Amino acid sequence: DTGVSQDPRHKITKRGQNVTFRCDPISEHNRLYWYRQTLGQGPEFLTYFQNEAQLEKSRLLSDRFSAERPKGSFSTLEIQRTEQGDSAMYLCASTPRATNEKLFFGSGTQLSVL
Amino acid sequence: AQKVTQAQTEISVVEKEDVTLDCVYETRDTTYYLFWYKQPPSGELVFLIRRNSFDEQNEISGRYSWNFQKSTSSFNFTITASQVVDSAVYFCALKGGKLIFGQGTELSVKP
Repeated sequence: DTGVSQDPRHKITKRGQNVTFRCDPISEHNRLYWYRQTLGQGPEFLTYFQNEAQLEKSRLLSDRFSAERPKGSFSTLEIQRTEQGDSAMYLCASTPRATNEKLFFGSGTQLSVL
Repeated sequence: AQKVTQAQTEISVVEKEDVTLDCVYETRDTTYYLFWYKQPPSGELVFLIRRNSFDEQNEISGRYSWNFQKSTSSFNFTITASQVVDSAVYFCALKGGKLIFGQGTELSVKP
């Protein structure tokens, strides 16, 4: 059973650089979520997709952040002109269908902006 | 607005003690779902339980039990006879549309 896969596991970048993360959900899961988690806090919702459609974006998601899920399978999250405040764990989750289904989480991508 | 509050930031117990993790939530939805997730040091969030707002029956699964009280908007989690492997951060979460997490309770079980 293949779980949610995220790549890379760790990313270190300099302030001002662009970074892109990838998430491969569980096969046939049509909902995909992105969360951000900082130390000592719970995960914060960023955005989610139903197939290829991005249905909701958090107000936390500034214009520097963009997410795509072009074919309704994997998703990418890009951060442009990174800032030190972007340092966090970025978590991806997927779920089969309905809103009451549990989310299956990946191991996350740890971003450090120097 | 939806909100989940886990007032206990850190709890430390000795192995075999019972421990209860508190969770209080706020929502105006009549239909919603409550979850508990475990986040061990490896970082991956592990699903523990889901309850819907219409089912207030308490649930027991091995050493884990959950007490859902709609009247007090609480969904508390008890670990009986705790073990070192229970050491982790535990998150309570609320789902109306998207999943909203509390800040988490870090549980440390010492041998």
